[in-house]
Amino acid sequence: DTAVSQTPKYLVTQMGNDKSIKCEQNLGHDTMYWYKQDSKKFLKIMFSYNNKELIINETVPNRFSPKSPDKAHLNLHINSLELGDSAVYFCASSRRGQETQYFGPGTRLLVL
Amino acid sequence: LAKTTQPISMDSYEGQEVNITCSHNNIATNDYITWYQQFPSQGPRFIIQGYKTKVTNEVASLFIPADRKSSTLSLPRVSLSDTAVYYCLVAMARDTGRRALTFGSGTRLQVQP
Repeated sequence: DTAVSQTPKYLVTQMGNDKSIKCEQNLGHDTMYWYKQDSKKFLKIMFSYNNKELIINETVPNRFSPKSPDKAHLNLHINSLELGDSAVYFCASSRRGQETQYFGPGTRLLVL
Repeated sequence: LAKTTQPISMDSYEGQEVNITCSHNNIATNDYITWYQQFPSQGPRFIIQGYKTKVTNEVASLFIPADRKSSTLSLPRVSLSDTAVYYCLVAMARDTGRRALTFGSGTRLQVQP
């Protein structure tokens, strides 16, 4: 059973479009995260979220927004996609108060 | 600006011990230091976590000095399958009083036969 899953695995789209990436975890964790990994393999946190608090990395453009329908899901919505948004996006989850994170397989986004 | 820094790459041979150091000079007081391994086209995978001194599990050891401004991941007797990128993850204290989870820049380990 996949602990943290993401869909889609690949996403190719045009500039200006709006897209969403879905993330689900079946670990019963309270906190979920979104990371961006660029072409140089740098991993940067975008958001962390539990049922009480959303922490946003202030460098993330407001075109990006996380939405959590329930504790097991944290979806990433991206509006007005730009070329620079091309990257691999990873979802992760952890038990509240602990840093051990479990990562999904990643979504490879290519903006043309 | 607080950073976490790691060597860009390291080369080793099968059977050798490999030590990878991460510098994190502005680590938040109460947070753990965690190391992850990443293979191509996969998400990072947890290796080991510690707060201070030494931690050992079945795959690695983690050495953390008293000031906690650095940490060293030690992989005993590496094999070809240990070829991967290794990241440290720490919570960095910010001027705002908040903590920011920050990955190191990653160290690409290449193990040769």
